[in-house]
Amino acid sequence: QAVLTQPSSLSASPGASASLTCTLRSGINVGTYRIYWYQQKPGSPPQYLLRYKSDSDKQQGSGVPSRFSGSTDASANAGILLISGLQSEDEADYYCMIWHSSAWVFGGGTKLTVL
Amino acid sequence: QVQLVESGGGVVQPGRSLRLSCAASGFIFSRYGLHWVRQAPGKGLDWVAVIWSDGSNKYYGDSVKGRFTISRDNSKNTLYLQMNSLRAEDTAVYYCAREETSGGFDMWGQGTMVSVSS
Repeated sequence: QAVLTQPSSLSASPGASASLTCTLRSGINVGTYRIYWYQQKPGSPPQYLLRYKSDSDKQQGSGVPSRFSGSTDASANAGILLISGLQSEDEADYYCMIWHSSAWVFGGGTKLTVL
Repeated sequence: QVQLVESGGGVVQPGRSLRLSCAASGFIFSRYGLHWVRQAPGKGLDWVAVIWSDGSNKYYGDSVKGRFTISRDNSKNTLYLQMNSLRAEDTAVYYCAREETSGGFDMWGQGTMVSVSS
């Protein structure tokens, strides 16, 4: 079982909100990890969006709009990237990442389509 | 200009070696941990290695451990990745990335393509 699991795709309408999940493997408690989120558009390197562990331990990437925010769902053992007020430019691949067992681990990524 | 620029990619036969470089500019290089991250064509991100700001610690992903070596020269503002015993599955775009103090990779290069093929 992968350390981090993300749905492969998600679709949402312009102006709506999208919740992208990053589920941690059973036995790895989401409450003990800082989860990092990245956005990648075709042909470009990833861009750092934000970090979230708790409301007292979070950080927004430089220049990242506040409509991108992080949270966790302890019952689902998952980190969440919430994008509100979706715009066409938000269409991209999104990756989560954690530091686990002396290695950085990426989730498989979610392709967000805005239509 | 604050940037990271990778070089050294190309086509190489399986079992051969290649060294990638990442030249940094516009920031105090020696203050930051640095990473290599790769992305196979049409696939997701795969973390390769990290080296701390002073070079004192290095960590590797399981898929490259024992074959790849990360290093840096703080006097030249340059990061390296020595890749030995290359395999077809190492084919990817290789990015270097800077780690900011709270752990996020806040700056990325444009990447250099490595193709391993006979």
